[in-house]
Amino acid sequence: DAGVIQSPRHEVTEMGQEVTLRCKPISGHNSLFWYRQTMMRGLELLIYFNNNVPIDDSGMPEDRFSAKMPNASFSTLKIQPSEPRDSAVYFCATAATDTQYFGPGTRLTVL
Amino acid sequence: SQKIEQNSEALNIQEGKTATLTCNYTNYSPAYLQWYRQDPGRGPVFLLLIRENEKEKRKERLKVTFDTTLKQSLFHITASQPADSATYLCALPDTGGFKTIFGAGTRLFVKA
Repeated sequence: DAGVIQSPRHEVTEMGQEVTLRCKPISGHNSLFWYRQTMMRGLELLIYFNNNVPIDDSGMPEDRFSAKMPNASFSTLKIQPSEPRDSAVYFCATAATDTQYFGPGTRLTVL
Repeated sequence: SQKIEQNSEALNIQEGKTATLTCNYTNYSPAYLQWYRQDPGRGPVFLLLIRENEKEKRKERLKVTFDTTLKQSLFHITASQPADSATYLCALPDTGGFKTIFGAGTRLFVKA
């Protein structure tokens, strides 16, 4: 298995633009997590899906953030409009049991 | 909710020595606790999981202990090598068990 796949790996955009991050989970994993990591705040859970259904989105910072999981093999995290304070590394992780498997992350820079 | 405390200062040790990292949590004792390794520019990678009824767990040069009385886990790397240099994150389930809370991590540097 190729592991968790995220795209793009790097994204540089200007403030106000829409950003879409993509994640392909490991086949057979029924849980999917989106995290944001910064030096100041560490690894923060944004949203958690189980069997494609959002279970907990309490970590989503604002209405500008939205996430979808239309099927078991694809999820997106969208930021619209983006702001400089959204600059961070965004990780997607999936799990079948208690252990989470992380993707390589998307480094987002909002100018 | 649960809070995790890991030493924010980097740990510098000499190759061959044992590295010991600490993870303290503040509230209820979780059903299990995990340790992850993160290298620069990469996502965290799972290393070990220890359950509340296990006092100690080993995997090759790694050893984890779990003391529910002290609300603490210790992570040991014996015979450390420069390749062990990374950030090590402690993680445990939050109330309800759906979310995993990660500590800020401790950066380990192993000098040759």
